[in-house]
Amino acid sequence: SQTIHQWPATLVQPVGSPLSLECTVEGTSNPNLYWYRQAAGRGLQLLFYSVGIGQISSEVPQNLSASRPQDRQFILSSKKLLLSDSGFYLCAWTRMAQTGELFFGEGSRLTVL
Amino acid sequence: SQQGEEDPQALSIQEGENATMNCSYKTSINNLQWYRQNSGRGLVHLILIRSNEREKHSGRLRVTLDTSKKSSSLLITASRAADTASYFCATHGSGNTGKLIFGQGTTLQVKP
Repeated sequence: SQTIHQWPATLVQPVGSPLSLECTVEGTSNPNLYWYRQAAGRGLQLLFYSVGIGQISSEVPQNLSASRPQDRQFILSSKKLLLSDSGFYLCAWTRMAQTGELFFGEGSRLTVL
Repeated sequence: SQQGEEDPQALSIQEGENATMNCSYKTSINNLQWYRQNSGRGLVHLILIRSNEREKHSGRLRVTLDTSKKSSSLLITASRAADTASYFCATHGSGNTGKLIFGQGTTLQVKP
């Protein structure tokens, strides 16, 4: 069966520090991968998605970047965090990009102080 | 712009009552999906309805889709305290990008 792992679960970082959130999927190959951000009490904002290794599409200009160094690994990064980067970050995958359901990780809660 | 918008933003009911949440969207869709999120957790897929379907059932869940009005509703019958969560509709964006766009969600509280 397929599983998705996301870490760390909780992170408290000072403004200006770097960030690295990791997401890996097991039990499938060539998944479509997504990073979403959720502000408190709000919906999900799509940040990045990837249809293959090294292929990253950015949805919102921002202080973040994403990379996909391996087929089932998706990384969200920042060189210098801003206060506005605080939020709940969710990684997700699907096999069928145009029609399929997404499977989500448990999320990473980032607090920038 | 946001593809899906839910209504109401918050809903509080007693256990045993039915809960209805509505979703509106703006562009043509391949399908519409509903997800559930417990507080502080990831989202879980509930049900998918295709653009050529008008109604779909899954256990205590009933979803309707009206493509002429660009709207969908999620009905939870005989609610339980364990149904307390946030519920989101989501639609695939235009083109073949595979982007799934979520609404702002409805927060449901079911009181025992």
